[in-house]
Amino acid sequence: QKEVEQNSGPLSVPEGAIASLNCTYSDRVSQSFFWYRQYSGKSPELIMSIYSNGDKEDGRFTAQLNKASQYVSLLIRDSQPSDSATYLCAVNKDKIIFGKGTRLHILP
Amino acid sequence: KAGVTQTPRYLIKTRGQQVTLSCSPISGHRSVSWYQQTPGQGLQFLFEYFSETQRNKGNFPGRFSGRQFSNSRSEMNVSTLELGDSALYLCASSLGLNGFTDTQYFGPGTRLTVL
Repeated sequence: QKEVEQNSGPLSVPEGAIASLNCTYSDRVSQSFFWYRQYSGKSPELIMSIYSNGDKEDGRFTAQLNKASQYVSLLIRDSQPSDSATYLCAVNKDKIIFGKGTRLHILP
Repeated sequence: KAGVTQTPRYLIKTRGQQVTLSCSPISGHRSVSWYQQTPGQGLQFLFEYFSETQRNKGNFPGRFSGRQFSNSRSEMNVSTLELGDSALYLCASSLGLNGFTDTQYFGPGTRLTVL
């Protein structure tokens, strides 16, 4: 089982809709979780971090964490074409492990 | 505050050569991590340095090595280059004081092409 798993996509979402990105992790003792966005040819940039079960909202972005089920998700409300990118889920125990990312494509 | 800088941005080498990449972290950050990113394998952790000591290491062969200087700047070296080493090498810096809440900030990367 891979340590951090994401659907590679592409995930196509109409502009203005909600994009839902999911990530599962294998190590139960993982303590912190991150979502990074990476545009083609650019380096990853942090969008959200979450450490406790539940939801965390920041503008159009909401991260959801369920440690019992070992998954973390990212919701993007009112999706914009500029949200088209690869989204990387990362999990930190003693070092940060990244998933391979989900390609998101927002359809104008 | 200046971000993470990496030099050079692009490199072309031939098989068998060695290469050294440099990373300057955000001022005040003491942890520097290195990653290799390829289309097939995604972002893979190479190693992390904190206060001039390697604190964590990924599953890469010994040809990949690194070091960190007293000013937190870090270098990564790859010896005896192979075609499969062609990748984007990313450096990320963090405060390094609270391991599990640390947020990493990435540099622009060095694109290495091995011919």
